[in-house]
Amino acid sequence: DAGVTQSPTHLIKTRGQHVTLRCSPISGHKSVSWYQQVLGQGPQFIFQYYEKEERGRGNFPDRFSARQFPNYSSELNVNALLLGDSALYLCASSKNGQGHYGYTFGSGTRLTVV
Amino acid sequence: QQQVKQSPQSLIVQKGGISIINCAYENTAFDYFPWYQQFPGKGPALLIAIRPDVSEKKEGRFTISFNKSAKQFSLHIMDSQPGDSATYFCAAAEGATNKLIFGTGTLLAVQP
Repeated sequence: DAGVTQSPTHLIKTRGQHVTLRCSPISGHKSVSWYQQVLGQGPQFIFQYYEKEERGRGNFPDRFSARQFPNYSSELNVNALLLGDSALYLCASSKNGQGHYGYTFGSGTRLTVV
Repeated sequence: QQQVKQSPQSLIVQKGGISIINCAYENTAFDYFPWYQQFPGKGPALLIAIRPDVSEKKEGRFTISFNKSAKQFSLHIMDSQPGDSATYFCAAAEGATNKLIFGTGTLLAVQP
């Protein structure tokens, strides 16, 4: 079975631009969560979605938004990019709404803001 | 109160030795404590997890020790191998929320 798939794997954006990151969960998993991992630090929770509804939001500005589609895939959008948004963005899927039990992470999208 | 403090920041162990990584937390509502292993260019992978109703859990060479009164837990890697060289993260979660709180990570290098 395919694991959690994220695209793109790398991208470079300019300050002020917008970016969309994509995630396909493991087949049968209905919950998707997004984490930001700055170099040298642990991942930080951004959002969790279950059955297309937001179930949790971390301490991130409104420039960050996400959504989940009927096929359970998800997008993370970041507007007005700042240099500090440079990080590895991780998507994790799980079977049910208790997102943190049985998380499987993807390999992430490395975002560089210049 | 939401922090999970992890130490050491880095660790060098000889092949066959025991690697020990420690974490501490403040929020007594946490009820799930996983450890993740992350290789360069990859996402974190769940290694082993424990709930606060047990003091120890062992899976192969990996053991979690949990001290509820001290609000501390640790990962022991027995017979450490060069292939164990990676970054290890402890984490904690509260059942009422939907997020993991990660520690800052420990870079483990196992020398052959």
